[in-house]
Amino acid sequence: QSALTQPASVSGSPGQSITISCTGTSSDVGGYNSVSWYQQHPGKAPKLMIYDVSDRPSGVSNRFSGSKSGNTASLTISGLQAEDEADYYCSSYTSSSTLYVFGTGTKVTVL
Amino acid sequence: EVQLVQSGAEVKKPGESLRISCKGSGYSFTSYWITWVRQMPGKGLEWMGRIDPTDSYTNYSPSFRGHVTISTDTAFSTAYLQWSSLEASDTAIFYCARLRVGGTDLDYWGQGTLVTVSS
Repeated sequence: QSALTQPASVSGSPGQSITISCTGTSSDVGGYNSVSWYQQHPGKAPKLMIYDVSDRPSGVSNRFSGSKSGNTASLTISGLQAEDEADYYCSSYTSSSTLYVFGTGTKVTVL
Repeated sequence: EVQLVQSGAEVKKPGESLRISCKGSGYSFTSYWITWVRQMPGKGLEWMGRIDPTDSYTNYSPSFRGHVTISTDTAFSTAYLQWSSLEASDTAIFYCARLRVGGTDLDYWGQGTLVTVSS
């Protein structure tokens, strides 16, 4: 089971919106509404930002939103802020023996 | 407040054994599966396996099956990740995380345990 494919880096200016893609297959992203997104600041543990494709845990800013089309899921950050600068990972349940697979990770830079 | 508190950093030699821990508090430990995730230096996240504390039923990623063992001790609300023979390639940060009930996402994470394996 290969990792889900994410762009290595995405950047934007404060206040702008950016979108991070997460591409898998029909065995993972496309086959289940079980995509989640995690934010990881340097030296810190990951934090859940989106689950079940588009749901936000309590306490997560509504500037973060998720969606899915076919085998590709997306995380959109609107009104980009300096504190959003971090690594972001998608994850999905998979029908393979791996059960869960993470994305390759995307570094978000706020210009 | 839900917390997962992991044991401290370890420095080991190749061939040595190791067990690291993850103590849950602020919730019913037996009601949530625990997952372990590896992050090698400068790399991404890798799902290692999960355990149901109720009956110790486990699932392992094929990449880690046979090399690590996941277990729990419900009396201490603690999950463990152990190796019988470490390799240099085991050098990484290991995170435990709670699997949300009925879901596939990890809603609370431990702070991570750095394991360094070097001769």
